[in-house]
Amino acid sequence: SQQGEEDPQALSIQEGENATMNCSYKTSINNLQWYRQNSGRGLVHLILIRSNEREKHSGRLRVTLDTSKKSSSLLITASRAADTASYFCATDERMDSSYKLIFGSGTRLLVRP
Amino acid sequence: DVKVTQSSRYLVKRTGEKVFLECVQDMDHENMFWYRQDPGLGLRLIYFSYDVKMKEKGDIPEGYSVSREKKERFSLILESASTNQTSMYLCASSLSGRGDNQPQHFGDGTRLSIL
Repeated sequence: SQQGEEDPQALSIQEGENATMNCSYKTSINNLQWYRQNSGRGLVHLILIRSNEREKHSGRLRVTLDTSKKSSSLLITASRAADTASYFCATDERMDSSYKLIFGSGTRLLVRP
Repeated sequence: DVKVTQSSRYLVKRTGEKVFLECVQDMDHENMFWYRQDPGLGLRLIYFSYDVKMKEKGDIPEGYSVSREKKERFSLILESASTNQTSMYLCASSLSGRGDNQPQHFGDGTRLSIL
């Protein structure tokens, strides 16, 4: 089941610019998480926002959540070449006795020096 | 820092072979997961485990099995490898008994090719 869908699929910006990525999902959630994946590596957790939160900050990252629109956005300010990576949103889905994360297909971000 | 270690970064096997992918985490996490990642399809959950000797099927368990004999180790087994199982395999772990609301920590992946 596909829950989160990122938009755009790919984004190319100049170093120093801001990058905004969006995520839409279909069903109600407890929380939404954002992850980063550098080429050929595993995913790294960036930030978790709960369903009763509207905005959260971590360094140059700002995440918003609009549960009425079932959408979230990740903003990276003052981007650096090292931010080049794929970014995924993930939402939780209740199973019989536990939860699992459903990942979107990701946004590929290229930050040009 | 949590460390999730996958035994191989790259692996090449032949069709019909039994393949074992190993994953070890060092932070006493209850939950462990196996995903595969394919271009355009994102991450898809194969199996997960929330306790020793416990396992639950994910979205695409067919052709796979898992083993969790010790808390720190979660093995993925391809019973009879086929070419459509060529993929990047990612292992992850997380805290808490039922995995909700907890960040997952990932290994660096095993890129498996089945010839």
